[in-house]
Amino acid sequence: EAGVTQFPSHSVIEKGQTVTLRCDPISGHDNLYWYRRVMGKEIKFLLHFVKESKQDESGMPNNRFLAERTGGTYSTLKVQPAELEDSGVYFCASSLWRGTNTGELFFGEGSRLTVL
Amino acid sequence: SQKIEQNSEALNIQEGKTATLTCNYTNYSPAYLQWYRQDPGRGPVFLLLIRENEKEKRKERLKVTFDTTLKQSLFHITASQPADSATYLCALAGMDSSYKLIFGSGTRLLVRP
Repeated sequence: EAGVTQFPSHSVIEKGQTVTLRCDPISGHDNLYWYRRVMGKEIKFLLHFVKESKQDESGMPNNRFLAERTGGTYSTLKVQPAELEDSGVYFCASSLWRGTNTGELFFGEGSRLTVL
Repeated sequence: SQKIEQNSEALNIQEGKTATLTCNYTNYSPAYLQWYRQDPGRGPVFLLLIRENEKEKRKERLKVTFDTTLKQSLFHITASQPADSATYLCALAGMDSSYKLIFGSGTRLLVRP
């Protein structure tokens, strides 16, 4: 069974440009999460989808970030326009059951974003 | 504000010994606590979950304790091996937002052969 896949693995862009990160969760996982780790900091929650619905986007830093999950399958996270402080590693995770009390999150390998 | 502390200094031990990693938290009452392993350039991999009403959980060579009075979790790896070398992350979640994990910064473990 394929795990959570993320694309691209690394993206280098100029400040002001747009980048779109993609996440394919494990098949059948209704729950999809985005987290990120900026340099020297802890991994932090961004948002949570249940199927195509946003359940919680309280961790999104600002309106330059837009996440979508059309059809309840893969998800995209767009940063437009990118700023220097957006540099970091963006992790996607999925789970079969809602919440962490009934199981673990399966993380992808992450998409490293470098904004110059 | 909520704070999770893991020893930022790397833990360096001899193969075969028991590694003990600490996770302390303040200003939070987690319902669940998880431990993840992360290798360089990879995503976190789930290891163990322990609930607030559980004192101890075991899985093969791994053991986790959860003391809600001390606000502390200990993560033990017995008979450690060089392959156990990695960064170990502690993550907490509350009942109200059980899907939103709060991560510690992680502790790097190095097991010498």
